[in-house]
Amino acid sequence: NAGVTQTPKFQVLKTGQSMTLQCAQDMNHEYMSWYRQDPGMGLRLIHYSVGAGITDQGEVPNGYNVSRSTTEDFPLRLLSAAPSQTSVYFCASSTGTAMGYTFGSGTRLTVV
Amino acid sequence: DAKTTQPPSMDCAEGRAANLPCNHSTISGNEYVYWYRQIHSQGPQYIIHGLKNNETNEMASLIITEDRKSSTLILPHATLRDTAVYYCIVRGPRGYGGATNKLIFGTGTLLAVQP
Repeated sequence: NAGVTQTPKFQVLKTGQSMTLQCAQDMNHEYMSWYRQDPGMGLRLIHYSVGAGITDQGEVPNGYNVSRSTTEDFPLRLLSAAPSQTSVYFCASSTGTAMGYTFGSGTRLTVV
Repeated sequence: DAKTTQPPSMDCAEGRAANLPCNHSTISGNEYVYWYRQIHSQGPQYIIHGLKNNETNEMASLIITEDRKSSTLILPHATLRDTAVYYCIVRGPRGYGGATNKLIFGTGTLLAVQP
């Protein structure tokens, strides 16, 4: 198993550009989540999903869209990038409440 | 979701046990206590979780008080590689009492293992 795979690992965007951060897991996990981590700060939940076709907002959803058309994939879309979205983005997946989340290695995004 | 309180930082000598406390006085009966850690710049790593009973795995032990209002994560023989931020998180099952099963991180405890 590859676990949770995030692509790209690094990205530089110009203000106003859009892009999609990819997240894929091969563990047949129902639950998937996106977090952002600003320098020196803790992780904040952006969006999460409890299964294909089901998504919900987290703590900081503004400026981001998600969809979950398959169990394996949970892409995060930045609609119009802003410098305030410069951060490290982590994707995570889990089988359910009584199991821990597995995290990807992160995407480091810089918006200039 | 119940909130947790952790000390911002702790030191531990290499080879000694590291005991990381967490207060969760508003925890409800169906909520689990989870521990994760994050080594610099890496994705968080799941360590252990429990509901009522004490738990042990190859990484650590989790001691939950009888009233469930606090817990302690124990790393029995800390090494330099255990230097990380440790997060205590309370999380409930989806759909139970309105819980949405979100994993919400706080600020954690920075554990520095000293040689």
